[in-house]
Amino acid sequence: GQQVMQIPQYQHVQEGEDFTTYCNSSTTLSNIQWYKQRPGGHPVFLIQLVKSGEVKKQKRLTFQFGEAKKNSSLHITATQTTDVGTYFCAEAGTALIFGKGTTLSVSS
Amino acid sequence: DTGVSQDPRHKITKRGQNVTFRCDPISEHNRLYWYRQTLGQGPEFLTYFQNEAQLEKSRLLSDRFSAERPKGSFSTLEIQRTEQGDSAMYLCASSSKRASYNEQFFGPGTRLTVL
Repeated sequence: GQQVMQIPQYQHVQEGEDFTTYCNSSTTLSNIQWYKQRPGGHPVFLIQLVKSGEVKKQKRLTFQFGEAKKNSSLHITATQTTDVGTYFCAEAGTALIFGKGTTLSVSS
Repeated sequence: DTGVSQDPRHKITKRGQNVTFRCDPISEHNRLYWYRQTLGQGPEFLTYFQNEAQLEKSRLLSDRFSAERPKGSFSTLEIQRTEQGDSAMYLCASSSKRASYNEQFFGPGTRLTVL
């Protein structure tokens, strides 16, 4: 079935550094959603991208959807300790098909 | 709290026993989903309801698993003859057909441990 691959699997940064996670698919995606799961928590919706080349910003978070709609990225500027968690991309069809996620840790 | 709720939050059982989990979605949401998540993995889709109709089931959902949503509100997920491989977090999510983003709202999950 459709799979979305995420890299890196883990990323550790110092507070204030930037962070990027990438989501890749071998086939064209109809859309991409991003979720954040805090340690011990449940996934929480962040954003949905639908259009080729789309870029959306939420404060320090920037989301991009590739021109070919086969990849997406999430970039966090100047990470804070509150950004800790696992970030998942998912293609939304009848249900969500999740990648394995990128776990971000931040040291102050 | 008007979010998705799940009960119980934790369940420890012995291999071979049956377990049942409950999910109460956000009240106006007509779509309900069950997912399973193991350590280091993203949630894996199990099944989907629109109102009371079960419209899709994953191949992950073996015949030991059954889900219901009898009145189109709460849902139950039953696992019969549990196996150690069933140990996981079982997440329920709901969404509204009318939502612009089709975002799913997840509950806190039921963590199952099979001994």
